[in-house]
Amino acid sequence: QVHLRESGPGLVKPSQTLALTCNVSGDSISSEKYYWNWIRQSPGKGLEWIGYVHSSGNTHYNPSLKSRVTMSADTSKNHFSLRMTSVTAADTAVYFCARSSLEPTTRWFDPWGQGLLVTVSS
Amino acid sequence: EIVLTQSPGTLSLSPGQRATLSCRASQNVGSKYLAWYQQKPGQAPRLLIYGASSRATGIPDRFSGSGSGTDFTLTIIRLEPEDFAVYYCQQYGSTLPWTFGQGTKVEVK
Repeated sequence: QVHLRESGPGLVKPSQTLALTCNVSGDSISSEKYYWNWIRQSPGKGLEWIGYVHSSGNTHYNPSLKSRVTMSADTSKNHFSLRMTSVTAADTAVYFCARSSLEPTTRWFDPWGQGLLVTVSS
Repeated sequence: EIVLTQSPGTLSLSPGQRATLSCRASQNVGSKYLAWYQQKPGQAPRLLIYGASSRATGIPDRFSGSGSGTDFTLTIIRLEPEDFAVYYCQQYGSTLPWTFGQGTKVEVK
């Protein structure tokens, strides 16, 4: 069974960089079959897809966040990461990682990590 | 960007009743690129339906999905106590970014 778990600081100061990691067990992120995604949920904007990374290094980001986001995959540690620069209070949210398949008709998100609340505040 | 609009925002029903949730897309999503999720407080969303009408593994058959193009429906026949939650639709077609609806809360009347 595949499990994903987010980790990282729960508090980030405004203008600083948010850095999260998603640890994957029960599957290898080296698999070419999957995208590894970040999704966030805030009261103001609901669920928002941030982007994905593939084991090949290929990434795709939501245009609304593209200028501030970088994703990477570390196959040796079987985890993938999110970096978001210049954060503001609007980036306060629960951040989820999730898997989706490469095949176009199967790109739903499943499974998901449990989520990590990140608060942006001084 | 494809905008998904869910209605109603809140559905107040009693256990045993039928729930009908709507998801309308601003552009054609096709018939294979729409998913439904259930979310309970403090939990991650859980996949219920994919491909607009296929139940995910372990999902009871009281949940069903239908629709294509721009109009989709999630139906829950005979609500069970554990079904009271928030439901989201999501499109995963070729038009990125992938997007979610704003959610429908099914609450106990």
